[in-house]
Amino acid sequence: DAGVTQSPTHLIKTRGQQVTLRCSPKSGHDTVSWYQQALGQGPQFIFQYYEEEERQRGNFPDRFSGHQFPNYSSELNVNALLLGDSALYLCASSFGGFWEETQYFGPGTRLLVL
Amino acid sequence: AQSVSQHNHHVILSEAASLELGCNYSYGGTVNLFWYVQYPGQHLQLLLKYFSGDPLVKGIKGFEAEFIKSKFSFNLRKPSVQWSDTAEYFCAVNAREAGANNLFFGTGTRLTVIP
Repeated sequence: DAGVTQSPTHLIKTRGQQVTLRCSPKSGHDTVSWYQQALGQGPQFIFQYYEEEERQRGNFPDRFSGHQFPNYSSELNVNALLLGDSALYLCASSFGGFWEETQYFGPGTRLLVL
Repeated sequence: AQSVSQHNHHVILSEAASLELGCNYSYGGTVNLFWYVQYPGQHLQLLLKYFSGDPLVKGIKGFEAEFIKSKFSFNLRKPSVQWSDTAEYFCAVNAREAGANNLFFGTGTRLTVIP
């Protein structure tokens, strides 16, 4: 039973560029959440996708956008990259997005913006 | 809004010492509480969780946590740590509201266990 997978594992971009990160949820899960973990900090919630729609959003600018596909996989897009966007981006999946459901995390994509 | 405070930034213990990591949260409603662990080079893993019932929750690898509602606390404990417990520990909460299960994390506590 595959867990949450993310690609790529590492990425280097320059300021102003755009990046797309990908996530495949754990088998049987239909909800995907994205988190940003800056160095030395805890993960911060970016947004959550359920039934191909953004259901919740954290305090992140519109430069951060996402998408969920019919197979429940998801993408995180960041436009006009800033140095401060350098972080580990985590994807978490769960079932139904219900509060009683545990979120399972992937290994993350480490993004470095130069 | 919810927030989580972890008081200890870095804890260094010798093997067999007892561990207690502090976690306090602020939120006006009912929350679920979690401890996640991130071992070096590995992804975040759930250590234990509290939804309701017995406020003393037992998790994997001998960890436990106690929910004290009056203190808004959910401290993590282990009676005797091992070198393999060296990791980053994150306390997290989510609001028990319909259609919401996003997690709010503390800043984490790095635990170093010296053999």
